[in-house]
Amino acid sequence: QSALTQPPSASGSPGQSVTISCTGSSNDVGGYNYVSWYQQHPGKPPKLVIYEVNKRPSGVPDRFSGSKSGNTASLTVSGLQAEDEADYYCSSFAVGKIIFGGGTKLTVL
Amino acid sequence: QLQLQESGPGLVKPSETLSLTCTVSGDSISTSTYYWGWIRQPPGKGLEWIGTIFNTGSTYYSPSLKSRVTISIDMSKNQFSLTLSSLTAADTAVYYCMREKGGGSSFNWGQGILVTVSS
Repeated sequence: QSALTQPPSASGSPGQSVTISCTGSSNDVGGYNYVSWYQQHPGKPPKLVIYEVNKRPSGVPDRFSGSKSGNTASLTVSGLQAEDEADYYCSSFAVGKIIFGGGTKLTVL
Repeated sequence: QLQLQESGPGLVKPSETLSLTCTVSGDSISTSTYYWGWIRQPPGKGLEWIGTIFNTGSTYYSPSLKSRVTISIDMSKNQFSLTLSSLTAADTAVYYCMREKGGGSSFNWGQGILVTVSS
């Protein structure tokens, strides 16, 4: 069982917006502004798309945004494109460790 | 352009020790402000953080792996390494080396190396 809870799947049509949640506790997501989101295509290493809750690394489209409320963080992908179809993982700092969510498979219909 | 490249055996026997090396180009471990670490992913499953090291030698390990893991740096070769002992089939995974900003934000990843634990 993963320490952070993500829905196993999400979907949306091209052009739509999709939000993926990541629920932890006050000891991780709720306690620190160190939530990251990763996109992973099959056979590829993960790619950081959001860090420190809502910051985008250079080169990541502004269609990707992050937020947090209490113990739940969220990743929103706006204007869905075919290439956004991938697995998405959240992670959070917790004292002395980094924990991941179980991953969400995003399907673009 | 930062590049990370994992190297090591693809097949290891149960109870043995795994040693992997990550060669870094495009940044100097000795002067970097980033952390360096390892994350693994069992086939078809999610990501698991193993641990990180800073160039001061400070290390941080997953509590569930701490008794079996060592991460070290060889600054002369601009490499860092992972040692994982007492292997079982559950350690079969793709092992990624990465560069982390701190707080768990892994900005850069190697391509990964599949390690299978089997007799």
